[in-house]
Amino acid sequence: GDSVTQMEGPVTLSEEAFLTINCTYTATGYPSLFWYVQYPGEGLQLLLKATKADDKGSNKGFEATYRKETTSFHLEKGSVQVSDSAVYFCALYSSASKIIFGSGTRLSIRP
Amino acid sequence: DTAVSQTPKYLVTQMGNDKSIKCEQNLGHDTMYWYKQDSKKFLKIMFSYNNKELIINETVPNRFSPKSPDKAHLNLHINSLELGDSAVYFCASKVGTSGSDTQYFGPGTRLTVL
Repeated sequence: GDSVTQMEGPVTLSEEAFLTINCTYTATGYPSLFWYVQYPGEGLQLLLKATKADDKGSNKGFEATYRKETTSFHLEKGSVQVSDSAVYFCALYSSASKIIFGSGTRLSIRP
Repeated sequence: DTAVSQTPKYLVTQMGNDKSIKCEQNLGHDTMYWYKQDSKKFLKIMFSYNNKELIINETVPNRFSPKSPDKAHLNLHINSLELGDSAVYFCASKVGTSGSDTQYFGPGTRLTVL
């Protein structure tokens, strides 16, 4: 069945460091791909999405490119801030008409 | 204005009790969901409704019963609560059934079963 595998956390970085959180998927066809973010004590919010191969989603300085050759959707940001500390979830919309989430990656940014 | 709201935010109860969690969305969306997030942050879909009709029912104990009185509301009733039901439950909604639609999540209900 469809699945999402993302980098295990926690990830701890200093402010202004470069961020990559890896995400790969297994799916039938070409599903829509998402990154959601969960700040402490809150629900999930959509960060960005891409609906077809080679699309790049971007928001708040974060980017991810839909790579069908490598079945990946890695999240990147050039310079992280303390306010980016959160749990990040990679997800896909499966052939069974539901979103499947990865296990989440906790990101902590040191001032 | 809150887009997706849930009540209560916290729920502490004894094993064996029956409890309900309510969800309302004011976005005019047709599709609503319930998710369970465990202590390791793993998020799993439980149910989905589209226009008040059940469309996804994952392998969830039948102690869990969703009910959608109208398309703006999706409530979750849990009978005979067990310790393993302790988790954060999230409601979500989206405009339709397209795979590219964004899901909007509520703030969550933290259920603790003692």
